[in-house]
Amino acid sequence: AQKITQTQPGMFVQEKEAVTLDCTYDTSDQSYGLFWYKQPSSGEMIFLIYQGSYDEQNATEGRYSLNFQKARKSANLVISASQLGDSAMYFCAMRVNYGQNFVFGPGTRLSVLP
Amino acid sequence: GAGVSQSPRYKVAKRGQDVALRCDPISGHVSLFWYQQALGQGPEFLTYFQNEAQLDKSGLPSDRFFAERPEGSVSTLKIQRTQQEDSAVYLCASSLEVGLAGVGRETQYFGPGTRLLVL
Repeated sequence: AQKITQTQPGMFVQEKEAVTLDCTYDTSDQSYGLFWYKQPSSGEMIFLIYQGSYDEQNATEGRYSLNFQKARKSANLVISASQLGDSAMYFCAMRVNYGQNFVFGPGTRLSVLP
Repeated sequence: GAGVSQSPRYKVAKRGQDVALRCDPISGHVSLFWYQQALGQGPEFLTYFQNEAQLDKSGLPSDRFFAERPEGSVSTLKIQRTQQEDSAVYLCASSLEVGLAGVGRETQYFGPGTRLLVL
């Protein structure tokens, strides 16, 4: 069975500093995709960044980067230069195989302090 | 281009009523997913369509839940005889396709959700 673990229920970071949100995953499949989503209080799930299991380079999207360590089965999200608008819930998710849904972690609530 | 839209955004139902939640995916997206999100938790999978075919409904919690996508675009999630435990946010997502995982065409884009409250 596939599982996503996010061990940080809540995180605080000072504005303009960098923060790392942890995600570990469990799967026996060789082919999988890893995703991070942001969910502000409005409720919409906003796609941030994607990492494929075959990708050799860590994914980057603007201020977001994914620290992918395949052997350790970790896919941590790094947000550089935090902004007040980054305060939200962050979910790590994984998809394996054909036709499979996403499996989501429990989320980390990030609060950016002015 | 338009994203995924869902309606209604909020629904209050009395216990025992039937409700219908609508999802309009991104044009051209083959795959459509429904998730249920309880307060303070991550989304949980309900069901998946590829075009009009419902390929996986293993996450539907009971036979009171029914989903359809008759023409391969708009989808409706119907809950019959609603119970208080059905109160949650129902999220719809679509993706270009599903296939071999890890090759980048599987990103799911979510709608704003329907917040259902059963009294």
